[in-house]
Amino acid sequence: DGGITQSPKYLFRKEGQNVTLSCEQNLNHDAMYWYRQDPGQGLRLIYYSQIVNDFQKGDIAEGYSVSREKKESFPLTVTSAQKNPTAFYLCASSSWDPGQETQYFGPGTRLLVL
Amino acid sequence: ELKVEQNPLFLSMQEGKNYTIYCNYSTTSDRLYWYRQDPGKSLESLFVLLSNGAVKQEGRLMASLDTKARLSTLHITAAVHDLSATYFCGSSGGSNYKLTFGKGTLLTVNP
Repeated sequence: DGGITQSPKYLFRKEGQNVTLSCEQNLNHDAMYWYRQDPGQGLRLIYYSQIVNDFQKGDIAEGYSVSREKKESFPLTVTSAQKNPTAFYLCASSSWDPGQETQYFGPGTRLLVL
Repeated sequence: ELKVEQNPLFLSMQEGKNYTIYCNYSTTSDRLYWYRQDPGKSLESLFVLLSNGAVKQEGRLMASLDTKARLSTLHITAAVHDLSATYFCGSSGGSNYKLTFGKGTLLTVNP
């Protein structure tokens, strides 16, 4: 089955700790994204990557870092500099093919601070 | 800066009734997306609208795009309880990749 997987489903972070959220896709999509959703809010873009070894900051990149070493993978690290990390994190991917630009979302990771 | 506004943010309807959700965006956009989110779940793609006058329909949902007015609508016909969810619109602006989302419309369909 083609799709996007995220792990873990739930993640607990202690003060001062960096944590990494996994995102993998087997859709052969070139572009991948990370969004943050707060309760009762829309999605806000953290980082996106159009191609391997390249990524750009979104609207709320401070306190986050990413890497794109493989086409299939786009992990997100929430660093200790992110002071309010509790949120629902969604990874998405899309194709470059005209007419196929829909972003497909993974199941999400819920991050909680202890 | 691209801004996307949805209204209403909350919508309670009776089964069998019709209603429309509105999505306004502030700058020229190549594409407009509609997604559905069930509580605690991820986003499910409903429609992507690519040109002025585009209309797409799936079951009881119909989406349209007016690029001149910078407005998209999601029309619900004869609502049923299963349509209860939060609906988001997202605009690409002039970007090939970045989407800016509205805050979502929480739809509750009552028996």
